[in-house]
Amino acid sequence: GIQVEQSPPDLILQEGANSTLRCNFSDSVNNLQWFHQNPWGQLINLFYIPSGTKQNGRLSATTVATERYSLLYISSSQTTDSGVYFCAASYNFNKFYFGSGTKLNVKP
Amino acid sequence: EADIYQTPRYLVIGTGKKITLECSQTMGHDKMYWYQQDPGMELHLIHYSYGVNSTEKGDLSSESTVSRIRTEHFPLTLESARPSHTSQYLCASSEPGVGEQYFGPGTRLTVT
Repeated sequence: GIQVEQSPPDLILQEGANSTLRCNFSDSVNNLQWFHQNPWGQLINLFYIPSGTKQNGRLSATTVATERYSLLYISSSQTTDSGVYFCAASYNFNKFYFGSGTKLNVKP
Repeated sequence: EADIYQTPRYLVIGTGKKITLECSQTMGHDKMYWYQQDPGMELHLIHYSYGVNSTEKGDLSSESTVSRIRTEHFPLTLESARPSHTSQYLCASSEPGVGEQYFGPGTRLTVT
């Protein structure tokens, strides 16, 4: 299967700061998603982004499929952004492979 | 409203009991998945289904079983729960073709 690596594993930010989370994957993919897991364990869809760039409010994501990485940008971070961010990749629309996540703590 | 549901949300049960975790979706998705996640760790695929009467094992070996008799329903069963089964179980479904996954709220299982 696809190896998915996320960095950094842990990130502490002061409220208002910007950050970049990275996801590297070992093979060609045709599905790449970013999720935010809240403190109650629910996975919230952030982006479906197999290639290109998307923006949603303070969040944006870029996937460069030919170089096998994706980036998630968080601008003007808020305490509600805290939690774990996962990326997941698939190459056949069937099985998805998750990274080990980036745990973000935004301090007031 | 189209959504994906899991019950129960929390379950504490004794060793040796049989349990069934329920997952239903109203989005009309053919593909459904079960993942197991220990606290703070990555998700591991334990079962998936392409549609009715289709079930496959995922990459993480699991003593659980699944069934898919109806498109909208994908229950997971443990015949004899053990403390090693203590974990969070997340159900998901995905759109055809595009494949974007959507997750239910999860079931936190504790086996004492």
